[in-house]
Amino acid sequence: GAVVSQHPSWVICKSGTSVKIECRSLDFQATTMFWYRQFPKQSLMLMATSNEGSKATYEQGVEKDKFLINHASLTLSTLTVTSAHPEDSSFYICSALEGALVYGYTFGSGTRLTVV
Amino acid sequence: DAKTTQPPSMDCAEGRAANLPCNHSTISGNEYVYWYRQIHSQGPQYIIHGLKNNETNEMASLIITEDRKSSTLILPHATLRDTAVYYCIANAGGTSYGKLTFGQGTILTVHP
Repeated sequence: GAVVSQHPSWVICKSGTSVKIECRSLDFQATTMFWYRQFPKQSLMLMATSNEGSKATYEQGVEKDKFLINHASLTLSTLTVTSAHPEDSSFYICSALEGALVYGYTFGSGTRLTVV
Repeated sequence: DAKTTQPPSMDCAEGRAANLPCNHSTISGNEYVYWYRQIHSQGPQYIIHGLKNNETNEMASLIITEDRKSSTLILPHATLRDTAVYYCIANAGGTSYGKLTFGQGTILTVHP
């Protein structure tokens, strides 16, 4: 099956610093990757969609200058939370769409970000 | 994506079948019904998906009504490890995959 590795699984950072989260498709090429955010007791909220080699498309209300997404290869996408603040503390989850459409959407295990 | 409606919570006894309903009355002809589940503090896990016909795999069965306005996910022999939030999503899969939009889902609690 398709596997998506997300790293780190948790991170604590100081307010004002930046944090990078990596999402890798291990055994397939991901033409499209999605980034979600989930607050406690809430559902997943889509933040942005990224296609390899092009700029990400952000959902309404998501600050593109704060949440930088890079999808430089067919197996790697990164989300950088810049100048993090406590309100950015959340569970971030990536999803990769396998290009051959055999496995469909596969999700990473998520990253718990805590900004102190 | 068509809007889906699920009960907020359900209980099930261990070893019994868990039947999770989902309404998707505005689903369009090219939209599949996907089911995912999320165990606490993990990423969603794919369960099953279907378009018109009933589907079965090693995890579950998916029953879709003839008019496609509703569906039921069946976990035939629920275990404590099946306790999770279950999401039903309508999405145009196939050759026109779009983004998955998650609703509130159903919290399934399996008890001994």
